[in-house]
Amino acid sequence: EIVLTQSPGTLSLSPGERATLSCRASQSVSSSYLAWYQQKHGQAPRLLIYGASSRATGIPDRFSGSGSGTDFTLTISRLEPEDFAVYYCQQFGSSRPGYSFGQGTKLEIK
Amino acid sequence: QVQLVQSGAEVKKPGSSVKVSCKASGGTFSRYAISWVRQAPGQGLEWMGGIIPIFGTANYAQKFQGRVTSTTDESTSTAYMELSSLRSEDTAVYYCATDFGSGSFYPWGQGTLVTVSS
Repeated sequence: EIVLTQSPGTLSLSPGERATLSCRASQSVSSSYLAWYQQKHGQAPRLLIYGASSRATGIPDRFSGSGSGTDFTLTISRLEPEDFAVYYCQQFGSSRPGYSFGQGTKLEIK
Repeated sequence: QVQLVQSGAEVKKPGSSVKVSCKASGGTFSRYAISWVRQAPGQGLEWMGGIIPIFGTANYAQKFQGRVTSTTDESTSTAYMELSSLRSEDTAVYYCATDFGSGSFYPWGQGTLVTVSS
């Protein structure tokens, strides 16, 4: 089973700042199958990035994803008030069918 | 536009079972790979398992093997997740979500709160 570890656990920033969230895998993950989600309180997760770097439909271009192998990053270039939420990375393992999520990074207003 | 609508909240006794439904609209149901993800109060997301309707095969996370069953009814475009031998730790919001081949989940159902309490 591939374990995803996200850091930091909590990130305190101000609107307008740049946010960098990390996701590290216990073994190599296909870039085709690494995704990022945003979740706000009481809501279902919202797909932001799939295939490590492709933005989902309707996602603003201030969100970008990068990385390969075991290290992946979600960057929010300039934080808007609505971006403060919890973010999860997720992978799909095609050789051992299954998915797993990281434990999440809480992005809070400083 | 694919939409997933889940059944309503449930309250169950320890040791019993719960069956949550997820009705899909839009698109071709046989192409859906529907998974179930749960989230305990204040906790993260946890993939439980899922089924690819066209193959009729399900895959489950090892943690839930033997306790969870995913099924589909193509005639009504509805997926079901049944979890048995419920315990208090199973109290969570249960989501269904589809993977159309990108290895990621979009869209998601609205979630179903299952409360296990004596």
